Amino acid sequence: AQSVSQHNHHVILSEAASLELGCNYSYGGTVNLFWYVQYPGQHLQLLLKYFSGDPLVKGIKGFEAEFIKSKFSFNLRKPSVQWSDTAEYFCAVSPLNSGYSTLTFGKGTMLLVSP
Amino acid sequence: DVKVTQSSRYLVKRTGEKVFLECVQDMDHENMFWYRQDPGLGLRLIYFSYDVKMKEKGDIPEGYSVSREKKERFSLILESASTNQTSMYLCATLGDREEDEQFFGPGTRLTVL
Repeated sequence: AQSVSQHNHHVILSEAASLELGCNYSYGGTVNLFWYVQYPGQHLQLLLKYFSGDPLVKGIKGFEAEFIKSKFSFNLRKPSVQWSDTAEYFCAVSPLNSGYSTLTFGKGTMLLVSP
Repeated sequence: DVKVTQSSRYLVKRTGEKVFLECVQDMDHENMFWYRQDPGLGLRLIYFSYDVKMKEKGDIPEGYSVSREKKERFSLILESASTNQTSMYLCATLGDREEDEQFFGPGTRLTVL
């Protein structure tokens, strides 16, 4: 079975700082990769996803992620965070050709951006 | 836009009660999912369904059951609620294309006293 590991449970940054949230997964086959975000009081929404092609994926609100297959990693980045980026971020993986499109989530990283 | 609605945002029940959590989607998606979200544990899959009347166990099905009588509706049932089932419950839906992503409802925060 696949698993997802997010490196940090809590991250605190000042506005304009750069962000990198680590995500590693374990699975022997091909996967689809996702980052979801949950803003305070809101429902979970997709930030970006990787299916194939260019391993550098751009998402909403200036976020991007890079898939490094050799490292089984899919780290999330943003060059300059804003106070409004305060949220919980979840990395998720879905194995291809598994029969069912289930997602396995990491435990989440809570990001607090101070103004 | 995909719309996934859940019957209640907040619910308080007593130990031993039977609890129904309802989820409705309007996008004609085949696949529907129930997760629970707990601090420090992320989202864990309880059950999912890939068609009407079909269901599959997820990672933590114990203490739960589900019902999918109509394509648009997926119900999570707690036969006898216990305090360790206090959690945020999230419903999600997914289309059939390989590149589709899951869409989530707003969640139901269940407290079992």
